[in-house]
Amino acid sequence: DTAVSQTPKYLVTQMGNDKSIKCEQNLGHDTMYWYKQDSKKFLKIMFSYNNKELIINETVPNRFSPKSPDKAHLNLHINSLELGDSAVYFCASSQDRGSRPQHFGDGTRLSIL
Amino acid sequence: AQTVTQSQPEMSVQEAETVTLSCTYDTSESDYYLFWYKQPPSRQMILVIRQEAYKQQNATENRFSVNFQKAAKSFSLKISDSQLGDAAMYFCAYRSLDHISNFGNEKLTFGTGTRLTIIP
Repeated sequence: DTAVSQTPKYLVTQMGNDKSIKCEQNLGHDTMYWYKQDSKKFLKIMFSYNNKELIINETVPNRFSPKSPDKAHLNLHINSLELGDSAVYFCASSQDRGSRPQHFGDGTRLSIL
Repeated sequence: AQTVTQSQPEMSVQEAETVTLSCTYDTSESDYYLFWYKQPPSRQMILVIRQEAYKQQNATENRFSVNFQKAAKSFSLKISDSQLGDAAMYFCAYRSLDHISNFGNEKLTFGTGTRLTIIP
């Protein structure tokens, strides 16, 4: 069984469109994250949620809106897509505290035409 | 804010040989965690090894071991008996130990990665 699953794996769309990426984890973790990996492979935190509550919001444009309907799901909605949004988006989850590592999904490659 | 530096954008090693990937970090905290993640061409992020800063003993996982030098803020990864399947991007990552009750504030700060090539 996949621990952290993201859909879709690939997303190709045009500038100006609105799109969503879904993430689900079956590990029973309390915290979920979204990371963005740019074309140079640099990974940076975007958001984190703990038990459906937004904890981290790292200077991300308002066009990005995470939503957590329950602690097992964290979706990412992006409005008015721009060329610079092209990247790989990773969802991750972890249990609170300790050295427990974050478990990552397989990533969603978003390409803006 | 913490920063993580990987000074080797690319490395290569002969199959069955040993290679060391370097990582340094900057922090004013005394308690934290360090991780190495591997990203093969399949794009998955796979945990390789972790180290708690309060532990003096270096972590080891089979062919993977770290050299953790807390005073020097250095966390290098040694891969012994390199195999073709080790070819990947390797990312060093830092995570704070959050003493405040604000759960979820434990983001990973990543280095820029090292691309490791294995030569058959």
